[in-house]
Amino acid sequence: GAGVSQSPSNKVTEKGKDVELRCDPISGHTALYWYRQSLGQGLEFLIYFQGNSAPDKSGLPSDRFSAERTGGSVSTLTIQRTQQEDSAVYLCASSLGLAGIYEQFFGPGTRLTVL
Amino acid sequence: QKEVEQDPGPLSVPEGAIVSLNCTYSNSAFQYFMWYRQYSRKGPELLMYTYSSGNKEDGRFTAQVDKSSKYISLFIRDSQPSDSATYLCAMNRGSQGNLIFGKGTKLSVKP
Repeated sequence: GAGVSQSPSNKVTEKGKDVELRCDPISGHTALYWYRQSLGQGLEFLIYFQGNSAPDKSGLPSDRFSAERTGGSVSTLTIQRTQQEDSAVYLCASSLGLAGIYEQFFGPGTRLTVL
Repeated sequence: QKEVEQDPGPLSVPEGAIVSLNCTYSNSAFQYFMWYRQYSRKGPELLMYTYSSGNKEDGRFTAQVDKSSKYISLFIRDSQPSDSATYLCAMNRGSQGNLIFGKGTKLSVKP
């Protein structure tokens, strides 16, 4: 079956521009996560959606970052007024429930470069 | 101190060697422990999963968790060039949504 898909695979933008990154989770997965992976760093948690509950936004690094999940499926991560330090690979994952108890399946990531 | 510490390497071994990868952690509430493998320009994929302390074996891979020492390990026997990847440890309490990851260890297995 289809796995987690993300688009675009690569995005180059200029400092100060807004970007939108998309994630299509595995069908039926109620939990969706966004992580950021910078060069030489592990995965940094950004935000987590579980069903109809309020999202856990505790990992978002600044108010320039936001995310939404429409209809319990597709999610969009938006970065406003991008900065060079936002350059990273943005990974989306989905699972049947809480991470740890249920396996997280990752997408291939969106590689964001801010010039 | 980060919650999860992992030596980033890189680690280079000859084909057939036994590889030992390790992570330490500080939060005694962690109960679920995972190892993910990530090939270049791909997303991580789950390799091994362990709940609480103990050992788990799957083919050439063995995962060990020592909660008393807050230390987890992944052993790879008879390593192959196809094992060349970055290995990330991950863990959480089970009641939280996200996983806490180590920085990852880059492994290269030379033929």
